[in-house]
Amino acid sequence: KNQVEQSPQSLIILEGKNCTLQCNYTVSPFSNLRWYKQDTGRGPVSLTIMTFSENTKSNGRYTATLDADTKQSSLHITASQLSDSASYICVVRGYNKLIFGAGTRLAVHP
Amino acid sequence: EPEVTQTPSHQVTQMGQEVILRCVPISNHLYFYWYRQILGQKVEFLVSFYNNEISEKSEIFDDQFSVERPDGSNFTLKIRSTKLEDSAMYFCASSAGQNIHEQYFGPGTRLTVT
Repeated sequence: KNQVEQSPQSLIILEGKNCTLQCNYTVSPFSNLRWYKQDTGRGPVSLTIMTFSENTKSNGRYTATLDADTKQSSLHITASQLSDSASYICVVRGYNKLIFGAGTRLAVHP
Repeated sequence: EPEVTQTPSHQVTQMGQEVILRCVPISNHLYFYWYRQILGQKVEFLVSFYNNEISEKSEIFDDQFSVERPDGSNFTLKIRSTKLEDSAMYFCASSAGQNIHEQYFGPGTRLTVT
């Protein structure tokens, strides 16, 4: 069954600290993996898209990694800001649709 | 920057009533999608639409649901006879292409069925 699992479910960090969010997937065939940021009550916003051949991709303070052999991805957030408080969703594109994880809810405290 | 827009932002309806959720995708995009997110749960794919027809749909998208692109700009989701369990946030998305292309999501319509 195609699944995307994320950990932790929720995370609290202090402003300025770094954090890493994890994603494991069992989607086949695999096309690409995306990380989205979703603010409460809003639509998801794309952070990165990674294909099979890409190991690392950065977008400002966000760095995503992908290990296609172990089917794992991570999202590292550097020097967190209060505005980083949101849900971060790992999404895998299979044959012809996106499969969403449940997200990690990140709270950044001052 | 172009964006996907959705109306209304919140819709309250009674069980059994028909609702139409509206979306205006980004103007040069060719692929259109509907997703839903029940409160506290993950986002779920409903349907994708290309070249004026459904290209893929999930098991959630049963006969109660339909989509239409009535003109060159709007993309609609109709629920014929709403049920309590249809209460959710409905997101429209669009993309310029498939596969590696980014999908841009609208702000969502919160549907409440009473």
